[in-house]
Amino acid sequence: AQSVSQHNHHVILSEAASLELGCNYSYGGTVNLFWYVQYPGQHLQLLLKYFSGDPLVKGIKGFEAEFIKSKFSFNLRKPSVQWSDTAEYFCAVISGNTGKLIFGQGTTLQVKP
Amino acid sequence: DVKVTQSSRYLVKRTGEKVFLECVQDMDHENMFWYRQDPGLGLRLIYFSYDVKMKEKGDIPEGYSVSREKKERFSLILESASTNQTSMYLCASSRNQGYGETQYFGPGTRLLVL
Repeated sequence: AQSVSQHNHHVILSEAASLELGCNYSYGGTVNLFWYVQYPGQHLQLLLKYFSGDPLVKGIKGFEAEFIKSKFSFNLRKPSVQWSDTAEYFCAVISGNTGKLIFGQGTTLQVKP
Repeated sequence: DVKVTQSSRYLVKRTGEKVFLECVQDMDHENMFWYRQDPGLGLRLIYFSYDVKMKEKGDIPEGYSVSREKKERFSLILESASTNQTSMYLCASSRNQGYGETQYFGPGTRLLVL
């Protein structure tokens, strides 16, 4: 069965530090990949997604992610985090052609002002 | 903008009660989903639906059922609530059955079963 693994469960950074959150998936075929974010008290929303083409995708609020097929990875990055980036981040992959999203366990990011 | 609404933000029920969680989307999406979110486990799919009156089991359907009588509405039913069903429940919707369609989420219902 397809699975998604997020390596970091809880990350604490100071403002202006660089961020990289790891995500690996197990499926070997064509994949569509997503990062979702859940800010405190808010609903889950799409940060960015990869369907095809340029493996470096840019999302909202200065986030980007790179799809590396050979490593089955889709890591999320931001050069300089802000306090407002404090949230929970979920990596997800579409399973086959069913439209079913498989989520990772989530990473809680805490940014200290 | 896509809007997905859920009937309650917080719900407290007793063991054995029948619980209904309602979800409505306003973008004429064909697909609708129910997840539960638990710390350290991420989101897990309970049930989903590709069309009215159609339903498919997700990864953890036990103890749950669903109903989709209208395209815009997808209900999750806990026939006899148990304490291990205390969780955050998220509803989502997406367009058609296309590969990779973005899912849009509701605000969630935090259910406590006593």
